[in-house]
Amino acid sequence: DQQVKQNSPSLSVQEGRISILNCDYTNSMFDYFLWYKKYPAEGPTFLISISSIKDKNEDGRFTVFLNKSAKHLSLHIVPSQPGDSAVYFCAASAKTGANNLFFGTGTRLTVIP
Amino acid sequence: ETGVTQTPRHLVMGMTNKKSLKCEQHLGHNAMYWYKQSAKKPLELMFVYNFKEQTENNSVPSRFSPECPNSSHLFLHLHTLQPEDSALYLCASSQDSASGGAGQYFGAGTRLSVL
Repeated sequence: DQQVKQNSPSLSVQEGRISILNCDYTNSMFDYFLWYKKYPAEGPTFLISISSIKDKNEDGRFTVFLNKSAKHLSLHIVPSQPGDSAVYFCAASAKTGANNLFFGTGTRLTVIP
Repeated sequence: ETGVTQTPRHLVMGMTNKKSLKCEQHLGHNAMYWYKQSAKKPLELMFVYNFKEQTENNSVPSRFSPECPNSSHLFLHLHTLQPEDSALYLCASSQDSASGGAGQYFGAGTRLSVL
C-alpha cells in the first residue's frame, strides 16, 4: 500500500498564477519531506524539503507547507513560469538523514504561457 | 547534467537473456542507489551501497543482482526477468548513505522492456 500519495496526476496553471501541488502520507513515523522535479528524459532533481519540526519552508518562488495533523503537505510555486512545467514528486522518510525514501507517483504540472 | 550517467538509456530483452545496467557518477560520492519505477507506481528503492558495501536490499528478487566495484560505478545485472520487471530503473548517488534524500543526485534512467 502506498504510504505517500499524490492524487492529482496533472495540473495546468496560467503563467504568473500560483501552482499548488498536494501530497498526503499515511505513516506517522515520517518526519522529513522532500519535493523533486523531473523534466522529460532527465532524472529527478531535489527542489525543496521540510522537517517535521517546521510547518513552512520557503526558497524563492517555492514554498512547502506541512500539516502534520492532517498528514498533508503542499508545494506552492508563485509566480508560475513555463520553465516550471515538469513532473513533481513528493517523498518522505522517517528521519532527516535516512536514505530510504518513499515517493508519490508524481503530478505533471503544465504552465501555460 | 547531474553528474550521474546511466547506460543504456533503453534496453529490450527477452526473458532468457542476461544483461547489465551501468551507472557512473563523477561527483566524488560514496553512496549509490538503484530505484525502480513501474508504470503508474511510485519510485521504489531497490539497493543501497555505501563505500562499496551493500547496506540495503529492499526485498528485491534474486534475478536482480547489483555490483559496486568502486564508489564511482554501480551495475545491475539482470537474468531471467519477467515482463512485469519492465520499468524505468534509476540510479542515484549521494555523499554517503546518511546524506538523506536532499543529497541524492539521479541519473536519467534506463527504460527496460522485458518481452
